[in-house]
Amino acid sequence: GIQVEQSPPDLILQEGANSTLRCNFSDSVNNLQWFHQNPWGQLINLFYIPSGTKQNGRLSATTVATERYSLLYISSSQTTDSGVYFCAVYSNYQLIWGAGTKLIIKP
Amino acid sequence: NAGVTQTPKFRVLKTGQSMTLLCAQDMNHEYMYWYRQDPGMGLRLIHYSVGEGTTAKGEVPDGYNVSRLKKQNFLLGLESAAPSQTSVYFCASSYSKLAQNHGYTFGSGTRLTVV
Repeated sequence: GIQVEQSPPDLILQEGANSTLRCNFSDSVNNLQWFHQNPWGQLINLFYIPSGTKQNGRLSATTVATERYSLLYISSSQTTDSGVYFCAVYSNYQLIWGAGTKLIIKP
Repeated sequence: NAGVTQTPKFRVLKTGQSMTLLCAQDMNHEYMYWYRQDPGMGLRLIHYSVGEGTTAKGEVPDGYNVSRLKKQNFLLGLESAAPSQTSVYFCASSYSKLAQNHGYTFGSGTRLTVV
């Protein structure tokens, strides 16, 4: 089946820094999503981004489907950005999730 | 507007006991999902439903059963709990299959421990 790999597994930054999270997938997809899980466990859907670029405030995402990767950019990080960021791709009625990038933003 | 509500939030079971997790959504979504999340991993799909009265197996269905008798409710049952089912369980719903416009909405999770 399709494989989803995320890097880095862990990232520690100071408040105000920028970051780039990467998601590689092993097969062509028609649906890629980014999620944020806050330190209390709540999951929020950030982007639906099967291709191209989208922006939402300080967050933006780019997917290059032909090269099978997606990037999530976080600018001017805030402590509230801490948590785990997951990408997931759609295959056979299922979202296949990566293992996530754990982001810690220090004040 | 409650979104997706899961009950209970925490539960401890003894091996062999049974229980049912309830998921309720008030957004009139057709698609509902049950996932489990183990430490250091992403979510894995247990079962899903594409509408009232329909269910299907996901990636890790063994040991679980589901029912969707009403559009707003999706129940996950464990008939004979095992320690390997210790996990955090998330319910989610979406308006469409690819969730391209409105995304997925998740419940707050159920932390289940089987001893």
